[in-house]
Amino acid sequence: QQQVKQSPQSLIVQKGGISIINCAYENTAFDYFPWYQQFPGKGPALLIAIRPDVSEKKEGRFTISFNKSAKQFSLHIMDSQPGDSATYFCAAGGWGGSYIPTFGRGTSLIVHP
Amino acid sequence: EAQVTQNPRYLITVTGKKLTVTCSQNMNHEYMSWYRQDPGLGLRQIYYSMNVEVTDKGDVPEGYKVSRKEKRNFPLILESPSPNQTSLYFCASRRRGWNEQYFGPGTRLTVT
Repeated sequence: QQQVKQSPQSLIVQKGGISIINCAYENTAFDYFPWYQQFPGKGPALLIAIRPDVSEKKEGRFTISFNKSAKQFSLHIMDSQPGDSATYFCAAGGWGGSYIPTFGRGTSLIVHP
Repeated sequence: EAQVTQNPRYLITVTGKKLTVTCSQNMNHEYMSWYRQDPGLGLRQIYYSMNVEVTDKGDVPEGYKVSRKEKRNFPLILESPSPNQTSLYFCASRRRGWNEQYFGPGTRLTVT
């Protein structure tokens, strides 16, 4: 049973465009939703995260939108750049000591110059 | 520099030959985990540890062992590797009470 479903599997955008990656979760006990960025040959690194007390969190060009009732959250990359080309993973889990994250299957993003 | 290190980074071995992948962190983190990454399947947790001498199974523990005798180290042991364990492995750590995980650079394992 896939607890966190991520789409699309791959995404190609032009430089300056908006990249949108979506995730849906099933477990209503989840209350921490991070996004990780992974470059080839590297380990994933935390990009941005949100907790369900807010519907949106923005850090620079990266924004998480969160819809608690729909159990969905998404990553928006504004003004996408070739340097954003990477694999992106969403994850979900409980907060603090109970945090054992479940990851989505990943989205390969390519930004063309 | 705060980091998680893994060794070796690349390993090619044969079926049945025991191997150990080491993981070490210098951040004094209580929690450590092992994941495998396979195309189209994302990251799946193999084992995790909440502190020294405390380990538990993740989603895909079959064929793996771990130990946590020191806080900084969390080795992954494959006692009899099989080709279906060919994968990219990541170790991660985090501080108790915080959710941010720090990942190592990965170990690419090929079992022939």
